[in-house]
Amino acid sequence: KAGVTQTPRYLIKTRGQQVTLSCSPISGHRSVSWYQQTPGQGLQFLFEYFSETQRNKGNFPGRFSGRQFSNSRSEMNVSTLELGDSALYLCASSLSPATTNEKLFFGSGTQLSVL
Amino acid sequence: SQKIEQNSEALNIQEGKTATLTCNYTNYSPAYLQWYRQDPGRGPVFLLLIRENEKEKRKERLKVTFDTTLKQSLFHITASQPADSATYLCALEPDNYGQNFVFGPGTRLSVLP
Repeated sequence: KAGVTQTPRYLIKTRGQQVTLSCSPISGHRSVSWYQQTPGQGLQFLFEYFSETQRNKGNFPGRFSGRQFSNSRSEMNVSTLELGDSALYLCASSLSPATTNEKLFFGSGTQLSVL
Repeated sequence: SQKIEQNSEALNIQEGKTATLTCNYTNYSPAYLQWYRQDPGRGPVFLLLIRENEKEKRKERLKVTFDTTLKQSLFHITASQPADSATYLCALEPDNYGQNFVFGPGTRLSVLP
């Protein structure tokens, strides 16, 4: 069974641009969660999608958005990039809505650098 | 304020010894707590889950304890090996209302041969 696939693996953008990251969950998983990881802040929850609906949202500005398609694949978009958006963006899938009794399966992440 | 702390940013131990990592939380009431392992450049990998009514959980050389009175979880790796070197993260559910995981900052474990 294929794992969680994130594309692209690396991305370099400049301030003010926008970016779209993609995540394909494990087959059969309907929940996709997105996290931002930085050395200073650790893993921070961005949002979760379950069955094409945003289930939860973390404390990030509206420049961060996402969506989920009917095949459970998910995309996240960051508009008007800032230097502080440089981070490893991780997505995680699970069979049902992600709460602590549901283990998460993470992809390898997209390393975004904003110059 | 709410926070999760892990005992130290980095921990070095000798091969064969037991590594003990600590996760402390404040102003959370989690029903569950999880531990993950993360290698450089990779996403975290699930290791163990422990419920609030379980004192201890084991899986091969791994052992997790959960003390809701102390608001602490301990993660032990016995007979540690250099291959155990990684960052270990604890994660909990902030409340019982279906909110998503909150992760600790992680402890980078180095097992020296």
